[in-house]
Amino acid sequence: DAGITQSPRHKVTETGTPVTLRCHQTENHRYMYWYRQDPGHGLRLIHYSYGVKDTDKGEVSDGYSVSRSKTEDFLLTLESATSSQTSVYFCAITPTSGGSSVSTDTQYFGPGTRLTVL
Amino acid sequence: KQEVTQIPAALSVPEGENLVLNCSFTDSAIYNLQWFRQDPGKGLTSLLLIQSSQREQTSGRLNASLDKSSGRSTLYIAASQPGDSATYLCAVDKAAGNKLTFGGGTRVLVKP
Repeated sequence: DAGITQSPRHKVTETGTPVTLRCHQTENHRYMYWYRQDPGHGLRLIHYSYGVKDTDKGEVSDGYSVSRSKTEDFLLTLESATSSQTSVYFCAITPTSGGSSVSTDTQYFGPGTRLTVL
Repeated sequence: KQEVTQIPAALSVPEGENLVLNCSFTDSAIYNLQWFRQDPGKGLTSLLLIQSSQREQTSGRLNASLDKSSGRSTLYIAASQPGDSATYLCAVDKAAGNKLTFGGGTRVLVKP
């Protein structure tokens, strides 16, 4: 599982509230990603990070922000949750080779967070 | 914009039959293609990765081919077993950096 954990695993919240999802990895990988998975849309990239304080937008970034102040943690924040953000959120990493910036390309996923916005 | 399609969306076969799963993509300028397996309520597990310069990759009963010029990849699973029941997803990466574009997946049921 490449040492990836996500918290919380399940969350129910109300429209308009802020929500932060956490992705934690134990193996010092530089590359981390957030995806959402929805029926009919498959998995779509929200944001990604190539290192501490190095983040960028993916395909569906509106309404989401991220932060990466430590290599091991990648946080996804919904500033004001909406019902359209009800989804399953997956964190992923791409291992780097021997501490260098070279990616080994294979992507490994966390167990997911099921978020329901009422 | 890259689009990835997997047809059929669902497939049911008797145990022992070979599985053939299809993936097509609209932009042939890809860096690599990955096949994943997803069990219900779980995350994705990487099965095979094919670099753009490769034509196929094999792992045990799994074989994936890539025809970049025609925008197609096929995942073959030999002698299917009930434990192969899952959703299979393909994803393409346009450039090094692993920002993947996924297909919708094929849900496979292998009947004992």
